[in-house]
Amino acid sequence: RKEVEQDPGPFNVPEGATVAFNCTYSNSASQSFFWYRQDCRKEPKLLMSVYSSGNEDGRFTAQLNRASQYISLLIRDSKLSDSATYLCVVNTQNSGNTPLVFGKGTRLSVIA
Amino acid sequence: DTAVSQTPKYLVTQMGNDKSIKCEQNLGHDTMYWYKQDSKKFLKIMFSYNNKELIINETVPNRFSPKSPDKAHLNLHINSLELGDSAVYFCASSQWTDVQETQYFGPGTRLLVL
Repeated sequence: RKEVEQDPGPFNVPEGATVAFNCTYSNSASQSFFWYRQDCRKEPKLLMSVYSSGNEDGRFTAQLNRASQYISLLIRDSKLSDSATYLCVVNTQNSGNTPLVFGKGTRLSVIA
Repeated sequence: DTAVSQTPKYLVTQMGNDKSIKCEQNLGHDTMYWYKQDSKKFLKIMFSYNNKELIINETVPNRFSPKSPDKAHLNLHINSLELGDSAVYFCASSQWTDVQETQYFGPGTRLLVL
């Protein structure tokens, strides 16, 4: 089983739609959770961290369920500029000097 | 004023050659990383350095040798390049705070081995 698994893509949605991405992780000792965004031929960039209580940043909402080892990202009112690959990322330690473990990513295309 | 920079951006070379990729960060971070993103877009850690010391060395062929002359630089030297080394190599840096660690990635070096 892969350490971090995500919904297979691509997701093709019209502008204004709501889209949800799911992710599961296998290491129950995982401590930190993130969503990164990677545009075509660019580097990954942090979109948002995911906290146990769930958190929201504008149109983006992230949820974490530690019992199910499940992370989600909800995007409301999709914009064309949201088109990218969304990477679910997990860190097994709650300290520095640890590498991130990436999912393969889910590609989103928002269509006009 | 790029935070994490890499050179070169593109690298096309023949099998068997030796090449180097350079990375520099101006964020004052203590930790730097090399990641490899293969043709299937899977991003995987290769090495991690903290204050010039090797912390993590994943299962990477010993043809790959990282070097950190100071904590702002982490270079990657690759000997005897093989076809399977073709990928995008990302450098990253991070600094742990009391709350979390955010990693900042460089723009990537696209390596093509012919």
